[in-house]
Amino acid sequence: AQSVSQHNHHVILSEAASLELGCNYSYGGTVNLFWYVQYPGQHLQLLLKYFSGDPLVKGIKGFEAEFIKSKFSFNLRKPSVQWSDTAEYFCAVNAIGRDDKIIFGKGTRLHILP
Amino acid sequence: DTGVSQDPRHKITKRGQNVTFRCDPISEHNRLYWYRQTLGQGPEFLTYFQNEAQLEKSRLLSDRFSAERPKGSFSTLEIQRTEQGDSAMYLCASRRGAEETQYFGPGTRLLVL
Repeated sequence: AQSVSQHNHHVILSEAASLELGCNYSYGGTVNLFWYVQYPGQHLQLLLKYFSGDPLVKGIKGFEAEFIKSKFSFNLRKPSVQWSDTAEYFCAVNAIGRDDKIIFGKGTRLHILP
Repeated sequence: DTGVSQDPRHKITKRGQNVTFRCDPISEHNRLYWYRQTLGQGPEFLTYFQNEAQLEKSRLLSDRFSAERPKGSFSTLEIQRTEQGDSAMYLCASRRGAEETQYFGPGTRLLVL
């Protein structure tokens, strides 16, 4: 069965620090990969996605993620975080050709200190 | 505003009561998904529809849970004889096709007393 593992459950950073959130998935076939963000009091929204092509994808608000197929990883990065990035971040995977459901990781709660 | 709407946004009920939630997807999105999210967890897949057909149900979906999408548009999720363990956020999402982005609604927060 597909699964998604997020390495950090809770991350605390100061403003302007660099961010990398780890995500690994288990599925041997073709996948679509997503990062969703949930700001306090708001619903889930898409940060970025990988379907095919360039493994380095750019999303909203300066976020990017790199798909490394050999490592089954899709880590999220941002060179300089802001206080407004405080939120919970979810990595998700959709196994192409297997079924149509999207499996989420448990999330990483990011807290940015002003 | 993602365009997926859910009603109600909050529901408090007593154990043993039945509850029903509604989801209106983005129009022309033929795929509709239900998830459950508890504190400290990511959304857990419950079931999904392609048009009016329910194509998959998670083992999380006990016999007390039923979902419908009778006309391929809105969907309802009913929980019968609610238990305290059913307390969670119930999320609905929709997308147009298998290669498309999934958009989430605001969720219905259920509290079973």
